Amino acid sequence: GAGVSQTPSNKVTEKGKYVELRCDPISGHTALYWYRQSLGQGPEFLIYFQGTGAADDSGLPNDRFFAVRPEGSVSTLKIQRTERGDSAMYLCASRAQGASIYEQYFGPGTRLTVT
Amino acid sequence: SQQGEEDPQALSIQEGENATMNCSYKTSINNLQWYRQNSGRGLVHLILIRSNEREKHSGRLRVTLDTSKKSSSLLITASRAADTASYFCATVAAASSARQLTFGSGTQLTVLP
Repeated sequence: GAGVSQTPSNKVTEKGKYVELRCDPISGHTALYWYRQSLGQGPEFLIYFQGTGAADDSGLPNDRFFAVRPEGSVSTLKIQRTERGDSAMYLCASRAQGASIYEQYFGPGTRLTVT
Repeated sequence: SQQGEEDPQALSIQEGENATMNCSYKTSINNLQWYRQNSGRGLVHLILIRSNEREKHSGRLRVTLDTSKKSSSLLITASRAADTASYFCATVAAASSARQLTFGSGTQLTVLP
């Protein structure tokens, strides 16, 4: 079946604008994760959904970042008033119910550039 | 600060040589996972080692874990140009209820043909 997909693959926006990044997890996967990866660094956890609810949002850097997963499938990461420091690769991963936390399947990412 | 730190940050070798990457972490863990990331792409899990294991093999990959030193190594034998990628270790702190992976900063491996 299809893997995790993310759209857009690249997004360039101006400082101060609002952006939405979309993640389509593997069908049937109940857990969904968002990560942010700066150049030359490992991914950093942002938020974790179990079903429709955010089970852990401790990684969101500030209140400009918000994520939703209204029907327990597709998720959208929303960034308000973007700043140049938000430029990074945003990765999404999903995991099947009951699978190990390590069995996350990653999407190709969205590269966000804030000019 | 990040839980896992890899060294070296970058490694360049000739095809056919072995590549060794190391990862250190700070807290007690139950498992440690190595991932591979091709340039600008998502991560793929390579091999998981449990805290009660000292060594694990999968094809050309060999992973070791030393819980007393809080470190792990990934060895790729007989490297190929296609092994060029970034390699990350990831852990979950054993004592916490956190449901998140903590990644190291990665080793960028370049295998020259």
